[in-house]
Amino acid sequence: NAGVTQTPKFQVLKTGQSMTLQCAQDMNHNSMYWYRQDPGMGLRLIYYSASEGTTDKGEVPNGYNVSRLNKREFSLRLESAAPSQTSVYFCASRRPPAETNYGYTFGSGTRLTVV
Amino acid sequence: AQSVTQLDSHVSVSEGTPVLLRCNYSSSYSPSLFWYVQHPNKGLQLLLKYTSAATLVKGINGFEAEFKKSETSFHLTKPSAHMSDAAEYFCVVILSSGGSYIPTFGRGTSLIVHP
Repeated sequence: NAGVTQTPKFQVLKTGQSMTLQCAQDMNHNSMYWYRQDPGMGLRLIYYSASEGTTDKGEVPNGYNVSRLNKREFSLRLESAAPSQTSVYFCASRRPPAETNYGYTFGSGTRLTVV
Repeated sequence: AQSVTQLDSHVSVSEGTPVLLRCNYSSSYSPSLFWYVQHPNKGLQLLLKYTSAATLVKGINGFEAEFKKSETSFHLTKPSAHMSDAAEYFCVVILSSGGSYIPTFGRGTSLIVHP
């Protein structure tokens, strides 16, 4: 089924460990996004990629890096995890405005706990 | 600059009664606006969108929203709540910056439906 696939779904890290969250979409979308969701804060943008080969910082980029490997894949890396990065992470891609169902398609999320 | 404010963090209704979830935005131009729903431990699903066509927008599951430019509002309504409507709802405004489109989320409104 077409959509946005995130892996892993759950992860527990120790402080200082590194890991990469994977995101892939098979809808040929140009724009992709990484958000974190925390209680009472809504979703906050970490990084986004308007097109293959470009990435830009969002509202809360500190402690993260991203790679737009190709048009399909947009990964998020934590180089040295901190407890403050405990959150649920969502990847999204954007349908072009010309499409009747214009909007953003979200993955099912990665629940990350840093201890 | 653009921002979106959801005026209530929690809304509690009885099954069969109307639902009103309030959203105000600030924008220097006519924005694109969305409502998304998130059921517990699930991803985000698009409910409806406003993209400068009809000001009254109908979405899925009986929800609708009215864009009021004079009030800078995009409130979500439903005539009769169902138990399955209990979820978190997010109002989203799309920021246009240098040709990129950046979704900015409100902090969310938790809808509680009592039997």
